[in-house]
Amino acid sequence: QLQLQESGPGLVKPSETLSLTCTVSGGSISSNNHYWGWIRQPPGKGLEWIGTIYYSGNTYYNPSLKSRITISVDTSKNQFSLKLSSVTAADTAVYYCARHPSILGLIFDYWGQGTLVTVSS
Amino acid sequence: QSALTQPASVSGSPGQSITISCTGTSSDVGGYNYVSWYQQHPGKAPKLMIYDVSKRPSGVSNRFSGSKSGNTASLTISGLQAEDEGDYYCSSYTSSSTSGVFGGGTKLTVL
Repeated sequence: QLQLQESGPGLVKPSETLSLTCTVSGGSISSNNHYWGWIRQPPGKGLEWIGTIYYSGNTYYNPSLKSRITISVDTSKNQFSLKLSSVTAADTAVYYCARHPSILGLIFDYWGQGTLVTVSS
Repeated sequence: QSALTQPASVSGSPGQSITISCTGTSSDVGGYNYVSWYQQHPGKAPKLMIYDVSKRPSGVSNRFSGSKSGNTASLTISGLQAEDEGDYYCSSYTSSSTSGVFGGGTKLTVL
């Protein structure tokens, strides 16, 4: 059974960079035709797609966040990571990583449990 | 990119059927058959219920069905059960993004 687990600091100061890692177990991150994505959900609000990466390193970013996002993959560790720069209180959210079977549409079939990141001084 | 439009809340009694709408434009819902629906219970990760407008992942009850007409997609839940209560989100591919956009979410209450 495929499992995803987010890890990283739960508290980040304003203007700093948020860094999270997603570890995939029970399957290979290098599987053909599967992409890997990040989604966030501010407290009490809806879902927002952040970005997606293929194991080859090809990335796809939400245009509204593109200038601040970097998503990378480490196939040797079966992990992919998110960096979000210049954070503000508006970036406080539960951050999820998920498997993305197709780049066409937001289809996420396996999800991590999510990790709350609070932006505060 | 604008979020897809969903009603803030819907409700129904056990055994009834309800439908949640998801309205977009010809650049997303109306232009492509890449609409998905998610169920989310409090404190839990979303769960994929429908993809490609009307396909159900393995293990999802056949009480859940999806359809689309023009720029509006719909999720219908028949034989409503208490466990169906939660938040529901639609999503769609959009030509303005390399992947897609989510709807604002609908809170389903089972009376």
